[in-house]
Amino acid sequence: SQTIHQWPATLVQPVGSPLSLECTVEGTSNPNLYWYRQAAGRGLQLLFYSVGIGQISSEVPQNLSASRPQDRQFILSSKKLLLSDSGFYLCAWRGGNYGYTFGSGTRLTVV
Amino acid sequence: GENVEQHPSTLSVQEGDSAVIKCTYSDSASNYFPWYKQELGKGPQLIIDIRSNVGEKKDQRIAVTLNKTAKHFSLHITETQPEDSAVYFCAEGGGSNYKLTFGKGTLLTVNP
Repeated sequence: SQTIHQWPATLVQPVGSPLSLECTVEGTSNPNLYWYRQAAGRGLQLLFYSVGIGQISSEVPQNLSASRPQDRQFILSSKKLLLSDSGFYLCAWRGGNYGYTFGSGTRLTVV
Repeated sequence: GENVEQHPSTLSVQEGDSAVIKCTYSDSASNYFPWYKQELGKGPQLIIDIRSNVGEKKDQRIAVTLNKTAKHFSLHITETQPEDSAVYFCAEGGGSNYKLTFGKGTLLTVNP
């Protein structure tokens, strides 16, 4: 069966520090992968999606970047965090039936 | 671009009552409509979905109805229980891209 792993679960980082969040999927190949951010207002904002290795599409201009070095690995990064980067970050993958499966999320607090 | 409107933003019901959440969408090419439940501090979980070739789908106490002509779909929860309390998101997809577009969510509170 397919599973998605996301870590860390929580992270507190100072302003100006770098960021790396990792997401991996097991039990499937060539998945579509997504990074979402959820602010306190509950909405899900799509940040990046990837349909294959090295293929990244950015949805909104921001202080973050994404990479897909391997088929089932999706990384969200920043060189210098801002206070506004705080939020709940969710990774998801899409199977062939359009449905998304979300990871358990990373709560990022920038202080 | 795609847009999904979800109402209400908050909903409070008594245990045992029914809850209905409604969404409208704009992309005529959409053919997949899932609903997600998100509990506090967790990722959203798919609870039910419907495709545009059917008008209604039911799974125990939850059901989803779709009116493709009017471009709206609804989630119905009957005999609500306190554990149904969560944020619920509708979404639409299946068009010309690989993305789901989500509504802004409904905070459902079931009071015992």
